[in-house]
Amino acid sequence: AQKITQTQPGMFVQEKEAVTLDCTYDTSDQSYGLFWYKQPSSGEMIFLIYQGSYDEQNATEGRYSLNFQKARKSANLVISASQLGDSAMYFCAMREGGGGADGLTFGKGTHLIIQP
Amino acid sequence: ETGVTQTPRHLVMGMTNKKSLKCEQHLGHNAMYWYKQSAKKPLELMFVYSLEERVENNSVPSRFSPECPNSSHLFLHLHTLQPEDSALYLCASSQVLKVNGFSGNTIYFGEGSWLTVV
Repeated sequence: AQKITQTQPGMFVQEKEAVTLDCTYDTSDQSYGLFWYKQPSSGEMIFLIYQGSYDEQNATEGRYSLNFQKARKSANLVISASQLGDSAMYFCAMREGGGGADGLTFGKGTHLIIQP
Repeated sequence: ETGVTQTPRHLVMGMTNKKSLKCEQHLGHNAMYWYKQSAKKPLELMFVYSLEERVENNSVPSRFSPECPNSSHLFLHLHTLQPEDSALYLCASSQVLKVNGFSGNTIYFGEGSWLTVV
């Protein structure tokens, strides 16, 4: 079974509109972290935002916020006031367990295109 | 400018060649990673080095050979690759905490090396 599910392969959004990118996850661990990354066509994977499983507040970083609904196991990324430069692939990822060197498990990504 | 730099950015190699990908992190981290990103597939974790020791090897074929001479440098040595190995190879680093309990422990990626095997 997939541990990270992103159900939107692609999205078209008008500039300046808010965008919600969906992510659901599957884990039996009590401690885990959820991450969102942006990947432009150049290839670099850019870290956007992090949410810990014990964090009670939703994470925010500038125009990015993470809508964390623990009971539903969802961690949607919200981008407010989208810009043309937001066009990219967006990946949701999870690390389970303690703060070791474990790698991240990634979803398949959502290709976001911002239209003028 | 990224804190993780990868060279070369693009590489074309024949199936009988031997080449290496290089990664250097300037973030003072103590763990480094190699990921493979193929078309239409999720990122796959290949290798993890923590404190310069390999701690994970996700059933990667032996034609991929990692090397971590120190906490700032990571190599991926390539030999007798197949066309299906063509992909984007991403290096990453993070700071591993030495106490129990979860932390953000964010993984920071480089710009990737685009590999084409012909």
